[in-house]
Order: sequence, then C-alpha cells, then structure tokens
Amino acid sequence: GDSVTQMEGPVTLSEEAFLTINCTYTATGYPSLFWYVQYPGEGLQLLLKATKADDKGSNKGFEATYRKETTSFHLEKGSVQVSDSAVYFCALNAGGTSYGKLTFGQGTILTVHP
Amino acid sequence: SQTIHQWPATLVQPVGSPLSLECTVEGTSNPNLYWYRQAAGRGLQLLFYSVGIGQISSEVPQNLSASRPQDRQFILSSKKLLLSDSGFYLCAWSVERTYTDTQYFGPGTRLTVL
Repeated sequence: GDSVTQMEGPVTLSEEAFLTINCTYTATGYPSLFWYVQYPGEGLQLLLKATKADDKGSNKGFEATYRKETTSFHLEKGSVQVSDSAVYFCALNAGGTSYGKLTFGQGTILTVHP
Repeated sequence: SQTIHQWPATLVQPVGSPLSLECTVEGTSNPNLYWYRQAAGRGLQLLFYSVGIGQISSEVPQNLSASRPQDRQFILSSKKLLLSDSGFYLCAWSVERTYTDTQYFGPGTRLTVL
C-alpha cells in the first residue's frame, strides 16, 4: 500500500539556521505530494504541494521538490524563525478510486530557539 | 471564501458515555468530507470519508460511526466511548476527486476519555 516516511524528530535549531526535513514515499502510481504544518493546539494548514515530478512547491520561504527518481519530497528553508516551531507532516494523494484520500507521515516536531 | 468549523473545541467524557462531534463547512457545495484522529505523539489516521449526503466510507473498524445528514455537515458519533478513543479529532474538506485534491482542515476537537 501507499506509505510516507519522515525523518524522526524532534528537530531543534537556532534561529536563522538551515532546515531540512526528509520525506520519502511509496505509492503505486504517480501521487501528488504535500507538506502540512500544525501549530500547537491547532488543526493542519497546507504549507505547499507538488503534483508531478520535478515540480517545486514553495510558500513562506519553505520549498520542496518532487523527486520521482528518489521518491522523495524533502522540506527545506534557508533561515528558520522561532515562529516556524510546529509539527510538519508530509503526505501523499495517490488518486485513483480513493477519492483524494491522504496518506500522512508520522510528523516531525521542529523547535526553533532564539 | 470557504471556512470549516468544528465543535466542541475540547471535551472530557467518561468511559462508556456517548459522543457526538460536529463539523460544518461554509462557502462550498458538495464537498468531500473527512474525519481524522491524531493520537498523542502519533500521525493522522483517516477514520471516515464522505463524497455526498448519506454516503460514508469507513477506513478503520471501531466503535465510532459517521453520518452526513446535510451537504456540508459531517458528524462523528459513538454509543460508548473507550479510553483508546482519546485524541485530537480533525475534520477536513476538499472539492476535487482527483490525485491533485487538496484537503483543508478544521481547528480540531480534543477529546479526553477518563
């Protein structure tokens, strides 16, 4: 079946550090890939998405490139801020008859210190 | 613009008591609707999804049920809660039924079963 694997956390960084959160996937077809962010006590917000190979999703300084050859969708940001502290989820939508169901990774907790 | 509401925001219930969580979406018609559960320290588990009034698909057999009495209303219920039902319950909606479908999440309900 479809699955998403994220790097284990928690990740702790100082402000202005470079961030990478690894995400790899397994899917039978050619899925769409997503990053969602969850701030403390809140629901999930879509951060960015990519729908085909080599697409780059970007938002709020975050970027991720859909790499079909390595089945990866790693999240990066050049300079993190304290306000980026949150849980980050990688997800895929494999389409087909699944009516757009999302398969999520386990989430990575990011803490940014001043 | 579209908005999604969930209530209550928090709930504390004794084991064996009934449950009813409500989710409503505004600003769109005939959305796909989803219920997820996020247990402490874990990822998201899809519980139910619905593509139309009265149409419910269950992903995980358990003591929970879902109903969709109106186009933009999705209800999660239980006749008798278990300790293992504790968690953060998230409702989500989407409009497409393809692999590019993006889901948008509500603020969530935190349920504690004692």
